[in-house]
Amino acid sequence: DGGITQSPKYLFRKEGQNVTLSCEQNLNHDAMYWYRQDPGQGLRLIYYSQIVNDFQKGDIAEGYSVSREKKESFPLTVTSAQKNPTAFYLCASSLLARTATMNTEAFFGQGTRLTVV
Amino acid sequence: AQKVTQAQTEISVVEKEDVTLDCVYETRDTTYYLFWYKQPPSGELVFLIRRNSFDEQNEISGRYSWNFQKSTSSFNFTITASQVVDSAVYFCALRNAGGTSYGKLTFGQGTILTVHP
Repeated sequence: DGGITQSPKYLFRKEGQNVTLSCEQNLNHDAMYWYRQDPGQGLRLIYYSQIVNDFQKGDIAEGYSVSREKKESFPLTVTSAQKNPTAFYLCASSLLARTATMNTEAFFGQGTRLTVV
Repeated sequence: AQKVTQAQTEISVVEKEDVTLDCVYETRDTTYYLFWYKQPPSGELVFLIRRNSFDEQNEISGRYSWNFQKSTSSFNFTITASQVVDSAVYFCALRNAGGTSYGKLTFGQGTILTVHP
């Protein structure tokens, strides 16, 4: 089945640890995104990538890092510099709009819930 | 800068009632897209609808309908004869059409809808 797979579903991090969240898609989408969801705040963009080996910071990139070595994969590392990492993390992908009218709705994974212990 | 505001944080209704979720947006772009997503308890975001800024025709899909009014920058979502399975968090989102912002979504804070039997 085509879709986006995020793993793990639940992740626990100790203070000062880096952790990596996995995101894989088999939709042949060019663009991939990481969002963070906090209660009552909607989703905020952390990083996005429109092409392999290139990515841009979103609105809340501090304390996070990403890589895009393959089209299918866009892992997110939550570093020890992220002071409040407890949140629900959603990965998404979409086609890259090459015209203004192109259909590019984002498809989302099932999320990873990260908790600091 | 763009912004999406969902006025209702939580709505509670009894089954078979109609319910409208409000969404107001701000953008300086003349071409943009509006979306509604549903987030059930499992966590993934499910795409419901996309509307282009140049198409103000309202849309109906089964019990769901959407009212897009450019003059008031609103894109409201109505569920007719609500059911318990409609209980979820609903997000309104905005994407601009041009520049390097392809695919990047700006989300509202979400509306928690609870439908009681």
